[in-house]
Amino acid sequence: EPEVTQTPSHQVTQMGQEVILRCVPISNHLYFYWYRQILGQKVEFLVSFYNNEISEKSEIFDDQFSVERPDGSNFTLKIRSTKLEDSAMYFCASRTGGGSYTFGSGTRLTVV
Amino acid sequence: KNEVEQSPQNLTAQEGEFITINCSYSVGISALHWLQQHPGGGIVSLFMLSSGKKKHGRLIATINIQEKHSSLHITASHPRDSAVYICAVYESNSGYALNFGKGTSLLVTP
Repeated sequence: EPEVTQTPSHQVTQMGQEVILRCVPISNHLYFYWYRQILGQKVEFLVSFYNNEISEKSEIFDDQFSVERPDGSNFTLKIRSTKLEDSAMYFCASRTGGGSYTFGSGTRLTVV
Repeated sequence: KNEVEQSPQNLTAQEGEFITINCSYSVGISALHWLQQHPGGGIVSLFMLSSGKKKHGRLIATINIQEKHSSLHITASHPRDSAVYICAVYESNSGYALNFGKGTSLLVTP
């Protein structure tokens, strides 16, 4: 069964450093998403991406965040200057035109 | 913004029991998803519903659009069903971004 692949599975970074979280969505999906889940809290929407541009973003997705699809297969989330409160599990997802979602297994980001 | 509420928050059941998890939402939606999150953190999609009922193995999901309510049922529960079950919705004008409930933590004991 096709999978959404995320790397790394766990990243520890120092406050103020830049991190790039990587995702390989399912190849015939056209809609891509990043969500995050702070420990003990519900999953929250960050950003959606379609046709090589952001289609929607939440108020969480401020100027320190950016997304890219640099080579037609990878989908990345960059956090420019990490803060302690960015520590969370970040999930990439892709979906079909019919709305069916597939999630990656997540990247656990720890900012120290 | 759609408020997605799940109940119960925590549930402990004995193996073999019939389990029901409920989800209600405040604003009309295009579709509702039931998701499963295991202790390792990964999220698996179980069902996407816009009306009626769906069944997959021992899992059954129903939705009542008029009452803005959905239920997930697990028949003949098993310890491997232990996980967090999450309801998530999207509205037709939301770009299909999911709005999640807080989840129901299920523990099935042998």
